[in-house]
Amino acid sequence: KAGVTQTPRYLIKTRGQQVTLSCSPISGHRSVSWYQQTPGQGLQFLFEYFSETQRNKGNFPGRFSGRQFSNSRSEMNVSTLELGDSALYLCASSLSTAGELFFGEGSRLTVL
Amino acid sequence: QKEVEQDPGPLSVPEGAIVSLNCTYSNSAFQYFMWYRQYSRKGPELLMYTYSSGNKEDGRFTAQVDKSSKYISLFIRDSQPSDSATYLCAMTSINAGNNRKLIWGLGTSLAVNP
Repeated sequence: KAGVTQTPRYLIKTRGQQVTLSCSPISGHRSVSWYQQTPGQGLQFLFEYFSETQRNKGNFPGRFSGRQFSNSRSEMNVSTLELGDSALYLCASSLSTAGELFFGEGSRLTVL
Repeated sequence: QKEVEQDPGPLSVPEGAIVSLNCTYSNSAFQYFMWYRQYSRKGPELLMYTYSSGNKEDGRFTAQVDKSSKYISLFIRDSQPSDSATYLCAMTSINAGNNRKLIWGLGTSLAVNP
């Protein structure tokens, strides 16, 4: 079956702009989690959605937001981009909020 | 102090070597321990998953958990060039609401040289 699909794979933005990233989970998976990965901080949890409801949130500023649609697809948005937002953004889906995570290949964001 | 500590390496070994990767943690509430493998330009994939102290073996891979010392290890026997990747440890506790708190190590970069 198809894995987790993230779009776009690569993007370049400038400071102050905003960006929206998309994630299509594995069919049947209702939980979608988002992570930021950087060399210095590793994988940092952003938020998790289950059945369109945010179930858990990490320690990121309000510029980072997300949502989940009725078909379980999810989007995350980062407003007023800063240089430090340059990272690989990973989406992971699972059957439940306690289940095994299956990751997509990520969206690599570069902020200039 | 970070909740999970993992030496980022890099670690370089010859093909056929036994590789030992380790993580330490400070939170005794962690219940589940995982190792993920991440190839370059890919997302992490689950390699091993353990719950209790002791060893779990899967082919060339053995995961070891020592809860009393708050220490976990991943051993790779007869390492292959295809094992070259970043290995991340992750630990989780699950609360009464069935929500996980998943904490990750920084990952150890491994290169297996032919």
